[in-house]
Amino acid sequence: QKEVEQDPGPLSVPEGAIVSLNCTYSNSAFQYFMWYRQYSRKGPELLMYTYSSGNKEDGRFTAQVDKSSKYISLFIRDSQPSDSATYLCAMRGTDSSYKLIFGSGTRLLVRP
Amino acid sequence: DTAVSQTPKYLVTQMGNDKSIKCEQNLGHDTMYWYKQDSKKFLKIMFSYNNKELIINETVPNRFSPKSPDKAHLNLHINSLELGDSAVYFCASSHRTGVNSPLHFGNGTRLTVT
Repeated sequence: QKEVEQDPGPLSVPEGAIVSLNCTYSNSAFQYFMWYRQYSRKGPELLMYTYSSGNKEDGRFTAQVDKSSKYISLFIRDSQPSDSATYLCAMRGTDSSYKLIFGSGTRLLVRP
Repeated sequence: DTAVSQTPKYLVTQMGNDKSIKCEQNLGHDTMYWYKQDSKKFLKIMFSYNNKELIINETVPNRFSPKSPDKAHLNLHINSLELGDSAVYFCASSHRTGVNSPLHFGNGTRLTVT
């Protein structure tokens, strides 16, 4: 079993829809949680970062962490065609290696 | 200016050859990484260097050898290339001070071994 599980999709939604992307993980030592967005033929870019449990909002994006369930989510409101990309969750613990573990990514397509 | 730049962008080569990928970052970061992304988009860390010192060395065949001449550069040399080495290789960098430092990625080197 992988340390981080993510539904690969693809997830196809109409423009304006609310999108929910999720990851589950098994390592209770993870404390830092991130979402990266990757466009085709590009490198991943950081979208959201949260520490421990709770919510964080940035514009149309909201990240949620539920450490008791080992479950994290990214919500996208009023989705746009430009949001079409692969979304990767990533997380790390507090050990000195700072190794970031990625999910396999969910491909999102927002239809105009 | 590109923050993390990799060369070449595409690399097509035959089995058994030796090839190198170069990476440079101009962000002033002290830590650099190599990640491998397979056809299913799974990103897996291979190596990490902090101030030219190897700090992460995952279970990678010893045909892969990283080299960091200074903290702004991290190269990857691959000997005796195999079909299974075909993937996209991403270089990344970050500040090591502070566990919440995000990774900044380059745009990848797409390696195809025939």
